[in-house]
Amino acid sequence: EIVMTQSPATLSVSPGERATLSCRASQSVSSTLAWYQQKPGQAPRLLIYDASTRATGIPARFSGSGSGTEFSLTISSLQSEDFAVYYCQQYITWPLTFGGGTKVEIK
Amino acid sequence: EVQLVESGGGLVQPGGSLRLSCAASGFAFSSYAMVWVRQAPEKGLEWVSALTHSGASTTYADSVKGRCTISRDNSKNTLYLQMNSLRAEDTAVYYCAKAAGPGFSGYQYYMGVWGKGTTVSVSS
Repeated sequence: EIVMTQSPATLSVSPGERATLSCRASQSVSSTLAWYQQKPGQAPRLLIYDASTRATGIPARFSGSGSGTEFSLTISSLQSEDFAVYYCQQYITWPLTFGGGTKVEIK
Repeated sequence: EVQLVESGGGLVQPGGSLRLSCAASGFAFSSYAMVWVRQAPEKGLEWVSALTHSGASTTYADSVKGRCTISRDNSKNTLYLQMNSLRAEDTAVYYCAKAAGPGFSGYQYYMGVWGKGTTVSVSS
């Protein structure tokens, strides 16, 4: 099983600042990595797939990068609606696995 | 509007069974692989099961293998998850989600559409 490790667990950021979230895979997943955003009481929402492709309707302030085992999600200028939990997920092999999540909170 | 609506959750005793359903609308359901993902209270996301667009191929997480069966009825645009021998650790919100393609390639199993979830509670 590929283990996905996200860091930090919690990120405190002021509105308007840049946030960078990390995701590490225990073995190479090439570019088969997705990022999701989840707000309290809501279902996850796909932000990024194939490591760097924004999903339909996702603002340009969200960007993904990386390949192999190291990935990052950057939010260039945090808006109030961006405070949420973010998960990465690999889909190169079964079982599909998610990272433990990074909570982005208001500083 | 693309939509997934789960139902069938509830409170069940350990060892009991539940059948979750997921009604799909707004897209060509029979053309897409589908996935179940769960989230225990205050925990992260855990993949449960997936099946290809036709239902011919299925996969399960080890945590539910042998106790759960995923299936679909493309004539009814509905996905199912039959859950047997339920345990306390199965308590979670269960989401159904649409994969990116028919599922022939594993590289299609990221999920662009999610339902709101249905809650399963296993307790005596």
